[in-house]
Amino acid sequence: ETGVTQSPTHLIKTRGQQVTLRCSSQSGHNTVSWYQQALGQGPQFIFQYYREEENGRGNFPPRFSGLQFPNYSSELNVNALELDDSALYLCASSLGRDREADTQYFGPGTRLTVL
Amino acid sequence: AQKVTQAQTEISVVEKEDVTLDCVYETRDTTYYLFWYKQPPSGELVFLIRRNSFDEQNEISGRYSWNFQKSTSSFNFTITASQVVDSAVYFCALSEALGFQKLVFGTGTRLLVSP
Repeated sequence: ETGVTQSPTHLIKTRGQQVTLRCSSQSGHNTVSWYQQALGQGPQFIFQYYREEENGRGNFPPRFSGLQFPNYSSELNVNALELDDSALYLCASSLGRDREADTQYFGPGTRLTVL
Repeated sequence: AQKVTQAQTEISVVEKEDVTLDCVYETRDTTYYLFWYKQPPSGELVFLIRRNSFDEQNEISGRYSWNFQKSTSSFNFTITASQVVDSAVYFCALSEALGFQKLVFGTGTRLLVSP
C-alpha cells in the first residue's frame, strides 16, 4: 500500500510569486485535505476535496486554491505569495464516507520559504 | 467553535521514565472524534489513535495508553518506559464526526527523551 506523497520537498519563492504544491493520496482514498503549519504551531486546516469537489474550507484567503483530479491526487496553489506564507504544507488523505469522518493520513510535507 | 489545548509546551524526561501528555478539548458537538499524532523531526504527522466520543474506554497499545474522560473534556496520552525514539512533537486533534473531516489541532507538546 502506497502512502501519501508530496512534491516538492522544499521550495523557495519570492514575495508576489505563485506556487503549486502536489499531493498523491494513499491508495483507495478519495478525500484530500491540506493544512498549513507555521513554525512552532499546530497545523491549520486550509481546505478539503472529496471526489474532485471542494468539501470545506478554513479561514484562508481566496489566493489559496486547490484542485483534485480523477485519480484523487491534488494540488494546492497559492498566488501573490506573502512572507507569512512561509510554512510546512501538509497534505492528508482519507476514505471519505457520507456518514462518518475517517482518519487522515499525512504526507511528509512541503516546506515553503518566501523571501 | 472547536478548540484543543495542550498546555505543556515541552517536556524533558530521561529514558525509561513514564510521561503523560495532556490534552483538553472544547466542542458543542455531541458526536466527535479525538486523535493523537506524532511529528518526528522529519515533519510527517504519524497517526497514533482515533477515539469516538461515545467510547470512553481507555486504550493501551504496547507502551502507549490513552485516558479519555468526557467529564473533564480530556484525552491524555501516556508513554510508559520512554525511549529516545519517542522524542518528537505530539499533537492532539479534534474533528466533528459527521460531514467533512476538518481536524482542529492543539499547539503540540515537544517531548525530549534523553539517554
